[in-house]
Amino acid sequence: QQQVKQSPQSLIVQKGGISIINCAYENTAFDYFPWYQQFPGKGPALLIAIRPDVSEKKEGRFTISFNKSAKQFSLHIMDSQPGDSATYFCAASKNFGNEKLTFGTGTRLTIIP
Amino acid sequence: SQTIHQWPATLVQPVGSPLSLECTVEGTSNPNLYWYRQAAGRGLQLLFYSVGIGQISSEVPQNLSASRPQDRQFILSSKKLLLSDSGFYLCAWSTWGIGETQYFGPGTRLLVL
Repeated sequence: QQQVKQSPQSLIVQKGGISIINCAYENTAFDYFPWYQQFPGKGPALLIAIRPDVSEKKEGRFTISFNKSAKQFSLHIMDSQPGDSATYFCAASKNFGNEKLTFGTGTRLTIIP
Repeated sequence: SQTIHQWPATLVQPVGSPLSLECTVEGTSNPNLYWYRQAAGRGLQLLFYSVGIGQISSEVPQNLSASRPQDRQFILSSKKLLLSDSGFYLCAWSTWGIGETQYFGPGTRLLVL
């Protein structure tokens, strides 16, 4: 019930292409869904986050799509660049942030020229 | 602005030796504090979190312990390290709820030999 399942485990995309990472959850009480980006040897950093009152949120080349009925959310990176190569984690929490974040297992994204 | 520090950056320790990792946060008051461990190429495992001085919640039974002697200081300790304690240790902080956005430190890479 507390799991967040993330896929794929690794992803290779050509420069300029669209990178798509998916996450699915079981607990319908989750109400906050952030994505984190982690470069090798560094701590994760918040990339973008969404709450279930909207179906999509866009910030620059990064978009979260949220499907409440399917209990899925995904990260889309448009015009992917080599600098986007990193590990991406989705996460979820509930009770308006009063219960701890549950992280997905991560996706290692590699953008090739 | 808020800043989070972790030290040391890298540590090599023999099996059976003690451990003390320190994390401090600047620029905020009464933060929630977290310790995570990340094994090589793996996801984030929450070890401990704290919502106030002296208040520690343990997520995973192990030979590690945490303490919060001051509002913005979080310490991860062990009396006797195991080989399995090797990993990348991340400290994080948040305001408001424990499921809200977390801000991660630069991490400490621990190798137990």
